[in-house]
Amino acid sequence: QKEVEQNSGPLSVPEGAIASLNCTYSDRGSQSFFWYRQYSGKSPELIMFIYSNGDKEDGRFTAQLNKASQYVSLLIRDSQPSDSATYLCAVAAIQGAQKLVFGQGTRLTINP
Amino acid sequence: DAGVIQSPRHEVTEMGQEVTLRCKPISGHDYLFWYRQTMMRGLELLIYFNNNVPIDDSGMPEDRFSAKMPNASFSTLKIQPSEPRDSAVYFCATDSTGWGYTFGSGTRLTVV
Repeated sequence: QKEVEQNSGPLSVPEGAIASLNCTYSDRGSQSFFWYRQYSGKSPELIMFIYSNGDKEDGRFTAQLNKASQYVSLLIRDSQPSDSATYLCAVAAIQGAQKLVFGQGTRLTINP
Repeated sequence: DAGVIQSPRHEVTEMGQEVTLRCKPISGHDYLFWYRQTMMRGLELLIYFNNNVPIDDSGMPEDRFSAKMPNASFSTLKIQPSEPRDSAVYFCATDSTGWGYTFGSGTRLTVV
């Protein structure tokens, strides 16, 4: 079993709709969770992190964490074509820990 | 700040040759990571340093790979001898807070 699992996609969403990206992890002791965005041919860039159960909002992005279900998600509201990218979920064993384990990523396409 | 700087951006080499990848971290970031990204395996952590000291090299695939960080402003990843299966994008990333990495632009390595 992979430590961090994501649906590879592609996930296709119409412009203006909500894109929902999901991630599950196997280590129940995981404490910190990150979402990165990676455009084709570019390096990953951090979108947001979350470490408490519940929702965390930043602009059009909302991260949701459910530790009991070992599940973390990213919602993108009012999706724009510029949101088309691969989204990587990453998990760390403890808060503030530096070693991240990444999922394979979900490729998201926003259709105008 | 110029961010994390990697060189070269692209490297094409013949099987059996030595390859050296370079990374200049963000000043003040005391953690440095080397990752490898392929379509099949995603982002894999190879090794990471804290204050120039290697902390975890369990991801280094075999003895052909070695990494050094002689000072806070420079790190190298060396592959000797290189093989076609080493073809990948190699990322250097740095961190200071534990709340998400900053990645370099990567080195695309092709071994023919």
